[in-house]
Amino acid sequence: KAGVTQTPRYLIKTRGQQVTLSCSPISGHRSVSWYQQTPGQGLQFLFEYFSETQRNKGNFPGRFSGRQFSNSRSEMNVSTLELGDSALYLCASSWGDRGQEKLFFGSGTQLSVL
Amino acid sequence: AQKITQTQPGMFVQEKEAVTLDCTYDTSDPSYGLFWYKQPSSGEMIFLIYQGSYDQQNATEGRYSLNFQKARKSANLVISASQLGDSAMYFCAMRDFGGNNRLAFGKGNQVVVIP
Repeated sequence: KAGVTQTPRYLIKTRGQQVTLSCSPISGHRSVSWYQQTPGQGLQFLFEYFSETQRNKGNFPGRFSGRQFSNSRSEMNVSTLELGDSALYLCASSWGDRGQEKLFFGSGTQLSVL
Repeated sequence: AQKITQTQPGMFVQEKEAVTLDCTYDTSDPSYGLFWYKQPSSGEMIFLIYQGSYDQQNATEGRYSLNFQKARKSANLVISASQLGDSAMYFCAMRDFGGNNRLAFGKGNQVVVIP
């Protein structure tokens, strides 16, 4: 069974540009969540989707947005990139939206903003 | 708000020895879950073990066990018989089921297993 797949693995952008990251969850999983990881702030929750609906959102500016498609694949978009957006972006999936369920993570997308 | 604290500095552990990673948490929600994840240099977060706040027994998963002390709000991870492949960052995380229901992570512990 394939794991969580995130594309691209690495991305280099310049300030002001926008970027779209993709996440394909494990087959059958309906919940997808996104996290930002930086050396200074650690792992921070961005948002969570279940059956195409955003169920939870972290404390990030509106430049960060996401969506989930009917096949559970998810994308997150960051507009007007800032240097501080440089981070590892991790996607995780689970079967349902119950809190007890363990999340399966992808290897992440390393975004560098120059 | 949730708060997870991991304060130990980086650790060197001899192969085959046991290691304990400390984690304390703070929440006002009586229903919550505690998780430990491992992140090797490849970047992927790997689930290790889960403990629910109402679970009566400490969780175990192979070489991993969780020393859950609810009154002290402590959820330490014990890795028995360390292996070279255990070298990684280890993160404690918590999810408040009645609160914001977000998975919040601690800052992590770096473990290096030496032969």
